Amino acid sequence: EIVMTQSPATLSVSPGERATLSCRASQSVSSNLAWYQQKPGQAPRLLMYGASTRGTGIPARFSGSGSGTEFTLTISSLQSEDFAVYYCQHYNNWPWTFGQGTKVEIK
Amino acid sequence: QLQLQESGPGLVKPSETLSLDCTVSGYSISNSIYYWGWIRQPPGKGLEWIGSINYSGNIYNNPSLESRVTISVDTTKNHFSLKMTSVTAADTAVYYCARQSDYYDSSGYRHRHFDYWGQGTLVIVSS
Repeated sequence: EIVMTQSPATLSVSPGERATLSCRASQSVSSNLAWYQQKPGQAPRLLMYGASTRGTGIPARFSGSGSGTEFTLTISSLQSEDFAVYYCQHYNNWPWTFGQGTKVEIK
Repeated sequence: QLQLQESGPGLVKPSETLSLDCTVSGYSISNSIYYWGWIRQPPGKGLEWIGSINYSGNIYNNPSLESRVTISVDTTKNHFSLKMTSVTAADTAVYYCARQSDYYDSSGYRHRHFDYWGQGTLVIVSS
C-alpha cells in the first residue's frame, strides 16, 4: 500500500497570500494524483486530477504540480472560501489511499 | 445534474451489519467509464477508501476491509450498496458514496479520481 504524507498539518495564511501544500508518496505514483478540498460539514470536492488538471469549475488560483513522489498544491491568493482541509489521493494502483490532510486556516 | 444520495440506518449495534445504499440521479450508473465508490471518514479524521464497483460488477476493495465488505450494484434501480459485517466502534464514521472516473486521456494516462460525492451519512456503532 502506498502511503501518502501531507505537510504541513496546519498552514496559517492571511487572505490574499499564497499557500503551498505538499504531498509525498511512499513510492512513485507517476501523475496519478488528485487533490480535494473539504469544508466543515461538507463532502470533499475535487480540485485537481492528473496532478495538474483542474476539476470542473475550479478557479485558476488553484494549481497543481509534481510527479513521481513529490506533489504541490498552490493557491495563489487565498480567498475567504479557501480556508478548508485539503487532501491528496493517489490512484496509481489499487488500493487507492489518501493523505491525512492539511488544514489551511486564517492567520 | 448528477447527484448521489446515501441512505441507511444511522445507528448500528456492535457485531451487526452496516448496510447503506447510494442512489444516483441525473446520470446512468451503467456508463462504462465510471466506477462507483464508498469512502468513509471517522469523526475528526481523514478519508479512507472502502471499495469501488462498476456497472458490470467488477469490484476493487480495500484489503484492510475486504473480509467484511460487500459492494453491489443494481443498474435497474440506478443505485449501489455497501454492506459491512461485524462492525465495531472503530467503524463509526461519515460514509460517502462517490463517482470514480476510469478512463484514459489522450496522453495515455489513466484517470481514476472521485469527481462527484454524496453529502455523506453518519453511522454510529453503539449498543
